[in-house]
Amino acid sequence: DAGVIQSPRHEVTEMGQEVTLRCKPISGHNSLFWYRQTMMRGLELLIYFNNNVPIDDSGMPEDRFSAKMPNASFSTLKIQPSEPRDSAVYFCASGPTGPHEQYFGPGTRLTVT
Amino acid sequence: GDSVTQMEGPVTLSEEAFLTINCTYTATGYPSLFWYVQYPGEGLQLLLKATKADDKGSNKGFEATYRKETTSFHLEKGSVQVSDSAVYFCALSESSGGSNYKLTFGKGTLLTVNP
Repeated sequence: DAGVIQSPRHEVTEMGQEVTLRCKPISGHNSLFWYRQTMMRGLELLIYFNNNVPIDDSGMPEDRFSAKMPNASFSTLKIQPSEPRDSAVYFCASGPTGPHEQYFGPGTRLTVT
Repeated sequence: GDSVTQMEGPVTLSEEAFLTINCTYTATGYPSLFWYVQYPGEGLQLLLKATKADDKGSNKGFEATYRKETTSFHLEKGSVQVSDSAVYFCALSESSGGSNYKLTFGKGTLLTVNP
């Protein structure tokens, strides 16, 4: 299996622009998670889905952030408008339903200038 | 909610030294426990896991034992290598209702191994 695929790997954008991050989970995994990692705040869970349904979005920083999972093989995380404080590495992870491990993608490094 | 506390780094060791990274947890049920490793510029990778009390997870010379009585899952390796330099995260699975589970992570411990 190719593992969790994220795109783009790097994104540099200007403040106020819309940013869309993409994730393809491992085939057969029912759960999908979006995380953000910064030096200051560490690893934060933003939102997660089970069977394409959002279960908990309490980690989403504010209304500028939104996430969708239109089908079992694709999810997006959108930031509109972006701000410099959104600069971070964003990880997508997937796993089977239940108390099991998650498999992380390589991350998208976002820089907002 | 559930929580994970792991020793804060950074930890600096010489090659072939013994490694211990402490991890304790608080949970209402009986979670599965995990250690993840993150190499520079990469995502987190599962290192090992244990799903019930007294289970020992092991991989690449690392091991950790699920201790219910002390609510601990300490990571150990007998002889570290320079290539083990990375950030290590302890985590537990936490139910958020029904069949929905998420991982709760510790803050991570940076390990640097010098030749």
